[in-house]
Amino acid sequence: EVVMTQSPATLSLSPGERATLSCRASQSININLAWYQQKPGQTPRLLIYGASTRATGVPLRFSGSNSGTEFTLTISSLQSEDFAVYYCQQYNNWPLTFGGGTKVEIK
Amino acid sequence: EVQLLESGGGLAQPGGSLGLSCEASGFSFSNYAMGWVRQAPGKGLEWVSTITNTGDNTPYADSVKGRFTISRDNSKNTLYLQMNFLRAEDTATYYCAKSRKYCDSRNCQGAHYYDSWGQGALVTVSS
Repeated sequence: EVVMTQSPATLSLSPGERATLSCRASQSININLAWYQQKPGQTPRLLIYGASTRATGVPLRFSGSNSGTEFTLTISSLQSEDFAVYYCQQYNNWPLTFGGGTKVEIK
Repeated sequence: EVQLLESGGGLAQPGGSLGLSCEASGFSFSNYAMGWVRQAPGKGLEWVSTITNTGDNTPYADSVKGRFTISRDNSKNTLYLQMNFLRAEDTATYYCAKSRKYCDSRNCQGAHYYDSWGQGALVTVSS
């Protein structure tokens, strides 16, 4: 099973700041990685797939990148609606696996 | 607009059974793989199972293998999850999700990540 490790668990930032979220895969998953956003009481929302392709309607301030098995979600300038929990998911191998999540909270 | 409407959640006793349904609309259901993802209270997301568009492939998480069965009825645009031998650790909100894996009569494209999610069905396993 591919283990996905997200860090940090919590990120405390102010609106307008840059957020950098990390997700590490325990083995190669090529670029078969997705990022989701989940706000309290809401369902997950697809943000990024293929490590760096924004889903339909996702603002340009969200970007994804990778270097080997290290994946990064960057929010260039945090807006109030971006404070949420973010999950990565690999879909290179069965079973599909999610990271434990990173909570982006208001500082 | 894609809509996924789950039903069938509720309270079950340990060792008992429960079935979930997910009625889909707004897309060509029979061409897309579908999946179930669960979230225990206050916890992260856990993939449960996926079913290909024709139902011929149904991988499961080890935690539910042999106890849960995913199925679909393309004539009814409905996805199912039958849960047997329930355990306390199965307590969670179960989300029906549409995969980006698309297949038609000629080929397949996309992959198994999820671009639309239902509102979720709460399953509580307790005596």
